Amino acid sequence: DADVTQTPRNRITKTGKRIMLECSQTKGHDRMYWYRQDPGLGLRLIYYSFDVKDINKGEISDGYSVSRQAQAKFSLSLESAIPNQTALYFCATSDLLGTEAFFGQGTRLTVV
Amino acid sequence: AQTVTQSQPEMSVQEAETVTLSCTYDTSENNYYLFWYKQPPSRQMILVIRQEAYKQQNATENRFSVNFQKAAKSFSLKISDSQLGDTAMYFCAFYGVNYGQNFVFGPGTRLSVLP
Repeated sequence: DADVTQTPRNRITKTGKRIMLECSQTKGHDRMYWYRQDPGLGLRLIYYSFDVKDINKGEISDGYSVSRQAQAKFSLSLESAIPNQTALYFCATSDLLGTEAFFGQGTRLTVV
Repeated sequence: AQTVTQSQPEMSVQEAETVTLSCTYDTSENNYYLFWYKQPPSRQMILVIRQEAYKQQNATENRFSVNFQKAAKSFSLKISDSQLGDTAMYFCAFYGVNYGQNFVFGPGTRLSVLP
């Protein structure tokens, strides 16, 4: 089983719908991240969390919200999806020193 | 804020040849890590190599090695004896240990290994 698991793997949704992307990990890491990947832009940070009570906005947090339900679970929500949120979304974890980011398999989200 | 730049959007190399991917970064931190991640068509993000800023010796992992120039803030990846399986997107990334404490990625370089 993967150390970092994202669900769903792929999703098509309509404009205006609320959608949640889920991430769970078995690495035992406190730090979790949500990134968005767009062609030519690389991965950009949406939100990150250092523990259950510590959640921080990244560079592109507008239109997104997150919930850290437990050390192992970190969910990303789009309250009202819009087409320019169509992208590949990654969840990642790391140890306290950031010696490596461990990624989930990614969620391909299409908003029509 | 830290930034990471990759100036080569696409590159190609013949199988068995050597190729170098470029990366520059900007930071005021002194304690950080640099990474190269590979993303094959499966879209999985795979760590290729890591460099600690305090280490002067360049990191190597089998056919992969880096040229870390701290003063120039440059971090290039050399792939020797290129294989078809090296075809992928390659992302350079930075992690500041004291400030930010998140992974900052460059825009990526798409590498094609040609038979």
